[in-house]
Amino acid sequence: KAGVTQTPRYLIKTRGQQVTLSCSPISGHRSVSWYQQTPGQGLQFLFEYFSETQRNKGNFPGRFSGRQFSNSRSEMNVSTLELGDSALYLCASSPSGQGYGYTFGSGTRLTVV
Amino acid sequence: EDKVVQSPLSLVVHEGDTVTLNCSYEVTNFRSLLWYKQEKKAPTFLFMLTSSGIEKKSGRLSSILDKKELFSILNITATQTGDSAVYLCAVETSGSRLTFGEGTQLTVNP
Repeated sequence: KAGVTQTPRYLIKTRGQQVTLSCSPISGHRSVSWYQQTPGQGLQFLFEYFSETQRNKGNFPGRFSGRQFSNSRSEMNVSTLELGDSALYLCASSPSGQGYGYTFGSGTRLTVV
Repeated sequence: EDKVVQSPLSLVVHEGDTVTLNCSYEVTNFRSLLWYKQEKKAPTFLFMLTSSGIEKKSGRLSSILDKKELFSILNITATQTGDSAVYLCAVETSGSRLTFGEGTQLTVNP
């Protein structure tokens, strides 16, 4: 059974650019969540999607957005990149969220220069 | 605001030692508490706890939840160098949101 797949693994972008990250959940999982991990703030919740609908959103600016497709794959977009957006972005999939546990992907390491 | 606090933040032990990692929380709409091990990138799932007083075990690892006192512990017996990692505690609240603690960096020396 394939795990959670995130692409790309590494990314270097310049301030002001935008970036799109992709997450393919475990087959049959319909919930996808996104987290940002930095040394100073730890793991912080960005948003969660279920059946193409955003169900919950964390305290991040509107530059951070996402979407989910009918096959449950999800994308996260960050516009007008800032140096502080440099982080490991992790996605987690779950059969339906709440109470079923979450399996994480290996993440995308984003560096903004 | 939901809060999860882990202690200690860092721990260095020798192989064979037993360690106890702590996690306390203050959240609204508690659903479950989860423990993860993070070695390089992907946090890997260890336990999910929803009921007080019921110990979950997997090999040398065990965990228990106290919903009255709002804390959980993760025990690792007979530690091995392969146990070296960051151990993350997370609380799931309504809306499928996980709030994480800062993590405990465990180093097991041979």
